[in-house]
Amino acid sequence: DAKTTQPPSMDCAEGRAANLPCNHSTISGNEYVYWYRQIHSQGPQYIIHGLKNNETNEMASLIITEDRKSSTLILPHATLRDTAVYYCIVRAPFPGGKLIFGQGTELSVKP
Amino acid sequence: GAGVSQSPRYKVAKRGQDVALRCDPISGHVSLFWYQQALGQGPEFLTYFQNEAQLDKSGLPSDRFFAERPEGSVSTLKIQRTQQEDSAVYLCASSLARGLAGAARETQYFGPGTRLLVL
Repeated sequence: DAKTTQPPSMDCAEGRAANLPCNHSTISGNEYVYWYRQIHSQGPQYIIHGLKNNETNEMASLIITEDRKSSTLILPHATLRDTAVYYCIVRAPFPGGKLIFGQGTELSVKP
Repeated sequence: GAGVSQSPRYKVAKRGQDVALRCDPISGHVSLFWYQQALGQGPEFLTYFQNEAQLDKSGLPSDRFFAERPEGSVSTLKIQRTQQEDSAVYLCASSLARGLAGAARETQYFGPGTRLLVL
């Protein structure tokens, strides 16, 4: 079973920030938070990962609460091409560690 | 650089037919994973290779499913005597890039998948 809880769907206006929440209250000390997204008919695309500090890359920002029980993925200026299912996954980074996907959040960016 | 590639992208098989799905991982990636994604669901783990060794096959749904990676690079997922319930997207991912460390080294990168339809 997935160790994360996400809302099933969200809407966002084009050009606005999309904030996608994720609860992972049972996360262990050595587990990272990974975010992937899956655009229709494509394979999952890696977005970002973090342990306890906030992270930012060219795609998104990841905010992890101090107790590490929840996180938020931020797409600062959503575009129509960001419409996808977003998956939040917790995983310890050892070789062979499989990804356990939940249902994810279906983000619809609207013009 | 080139990402993970999979072929064919689409496969239609008659029930009972054998199929073979190919995955070319990112060059230099040691780990290779296969996942199965049913319609409307998230991907589910099938099996994992480290180089040519299959270290985890706990997700394979039956003995009709067989995977190999004989030279530690290209992998093939074979499904024998296909059934309608095998219809799904089969995803391949690779990771464990040499020269990186920690969580970045373990980040899995996915191919586009093979969509299998069994009639």
